[in-house]
Amino acid sequence: EIVLTQSPDFQSVTPKEKVTITCRASQSIGSSLHWYQQKPDQSPKLLIKYASQSFSGVPSRFSGSGSGTDFTLTINSLEAEDAATYYCHQSSSLPGTFGQGTKLEIK
Amino acid sequence: QVQLVESGGGLVKPGGSLRLSCAASGFTFSDYYMSWIRQAPGKGLEWVSYISSSGSTIYYADSVKGRFTISRDNAKNSLYLQMNSLRAEDTAVYYCARSSWYVDYWGQGTLVTVSS
Repeated sequence: EIVLTQSPDFQSVTPKEKVTITCRASQSIGSSLHWYQQKPDQSPKLLIKYASQSFSGVPSRFSGSGSGTDFTLTINSLEAEDAATYYCHQSSSLPGTFGQGTKLEIK
Repeated sequence: QVQLVESGGGLVKPGGSLRLSCAASGFTFSDYYMSWIRQAPGKGLEWVSYISSSGSTIYYADSVKGRFTISRDNAKNSLYLQMNSLRAEDTAVYYCARSSWYVDYWGQGTLVTVSS
């Protein structure tokens, strides 16, 4: 099973700050890496597919990069509504596995 | 617009059974793989099961294999999860999800609580 490890587990950030969340895979997964946002008491929502492709309707401040084993989700100019837990997910080997999540708190 | 609406969750005793349903609308249901993904209280996401568009390919997580059965009725645009021999560790919100290589739409979830 491919293990995804996210860092950090928790981050407290101020509005307008730039945030970077990383996801490392235990083996190469090409670009089969996707990012989701889950706000409290809501279901997850797709942000980025295939490492860097933005999903429809996602604000442009969210971007993704990486390939192989190392991936990054970047949030430029953080807004208060971005308080959430972010998960990466690999689909290189179905059904895929999720990272443990990164919780973003807005100061 | 795509809608996935789960139902069937609730409180059940250990060893009991429950059947979850997911009503899909807003897309051609028979074209898509579908999945059940769960989230224990305060925990992360775990893929429980998926089923191919025709139903010919099915996957189960080791944690539920032999106890859960996924099925679909393309004529009714519905996805199901039959859960037997439930354990305390199956307590979670269960999400119905439209999934190809990624999950582009999630339902609102239905809570399953296994407790005596």
